[in-house]
Amino acid sequence: KAGVTQTPRYLIKTRGQQVTLSCSPISGHRSVSWYQQTPGQGLQFLFEYFSETQRNKGNFPGRFSGRQFSNSRSEMNVSTLELGDSALYLCASSARDSMTSTEAFFGQGTRLTVV
Amino acid sequence: QQQVKQSPQSLIVQKGGISIINCAYENTAFDYFPWYQQFPGKGPALLIAIRPDVSEKKEGRFTISFNKSAKQFSLHIMDSQPGDSATYFCAARYVGGGYQKVTFGTGTKLQVIP
Repeated sequence: KAGVTQTPRYLIKTRGQQVTLSCSPISGHRSVSWYQQTPGQGLQFLFEYFSETQRNKGNFPGRFSGRQFSNSRSEMNVSTLELGDSALYLCASSARDSMTSTEAFFGQGTRLTVV
Repeated sequence: QQQVKQSPQSLIVQKGGISIINCAYENTAFDYFPWYQQFPGKGPALLIAIRPDVSEKKEGRFTISFNKSAKQFSLHIMDSQPGDSATYFCAARYVGGGYQKVTFGTGTKLQVIP
């Protein structure tokens, strides 16, 4: 069974631009969560989507948004990029009902560099 | 209250030794405590996990010890090997209000030297 796939793997953007990252969860998984990982802040929760609905959101500005499609694939968008947005963005998928499922599978992440 | 405090930040252990990483939490509503292992260039991978009604769980060389009253849990890696060199994250999950949220510790970079 294929794992969680994130695209692209690497991305370089200029300050002020916007970026869209993609995450394809494991087949059958309906929950997708997004995390930002930086050396200084560690892994920080961005938001979780389940069946196309955002169920929970972390403490990030409105420049960070996401959505989930009917096939459970999810996209994350960051607008008006800042240098501090440079990070590894990870998505994790969980099985059908994330309330009872306990295991989250992470993708390899998208390394975003803002210059 | 949603924080999970992890220590140490880095750890150097000799091959064959025991690696111990500690985590502490405040929110008694957390219901699931996983540990993740992350190698450079990879996403975190679930290593072992425990629920608060169990005091210890062992899988191979990896053991979680859980102290509910102290709100602490730790990862023990027995017979540490150079291949165990990675960053380890503890985490705690909260379920409520129709959503779940996993909070991660800040990570421990483990280096196992031959």
